[in-house]
Amino acid sequence: QKEVEQDPGPLSVPEGAIVSLNCTYSNSAFQYFMWYRQYSRKGPELLMYTYSSGNKEDGRFTAQVDKSSKYISLFIRDSQPSDSATYLCAMQAGGTSYGKLTFGQGTILTVHP
Amino acid sequence: SAVISQKPSRDICQRGTSLTIQCQVDSQVTMMFWYRQQPGQSLTLIATANQGSEATYESGFVIDKFPISRPNLTFSTLTVSNMSPEDSSIYLCSVENYNEQFFGPGTRLTVL
Repeated sequence: QKEVEQDPGPLSVPEGAIVSLNCTYSNSAFQYFMWYRQYSRKGPELLMYTYSSGNKEDGRFTAQVDKSSKYISLFIRDSQPSDSATYLCAMQAGGTSYGKLTFGQGTILTVHP
Repeated sequence: SAVISQKPSRDICQRGTSLTIQCQVDSQVTMMFWYRQQPGQSLTLIATANQGSEATYESGFVIDKFPISRPNLTFSTLTVSNMSPEDSSIYLCSVENYNEQFFGPGTRLTVL
């Protein structure tokens, strides 16, 4: 079993839709949670960083963490064609694993006009 | 956030040769990381490079295959040695800045 599971999609939605991207994890040591966006032939770009259960909002993006269920989500409101990319969840434990990110396999999102 | 550049951006290499990838950051950082992203796969950490100490390698990665240098707080190199087609991947460096990790654009390596 992988430490982090992410539905690879692909996910195709019309412009303006609400997108929900999800990851589950099995390692209780994960304390920090991130979402990255990766455009084709580019490096991952950090979208959201959070370390507590609950919601964190930034513009059209909302990151949700439920540590009791070991489940995180990223919601994109009013999706735009420019949101078309691969979205990667990533997690980090504390202590001696500080700095090491464990990634999900990524969800390919296409937003069509 | 930090601005990270990598050289080369891409390369095509012959089996058995070695390639050194450079990573430059626009600010001083303590921790730098090297990741591999194989075709259709997610990112996997190869090693952590701190200035002034030996790199720490993750399970499945060894220094003889992926030697790393970290001569100062803004620069690191990763060498992919004795390459085989299985080493064809995107190699990315990243840096930690205030608990957030930022990535370079990656080096796309194809081994024939």
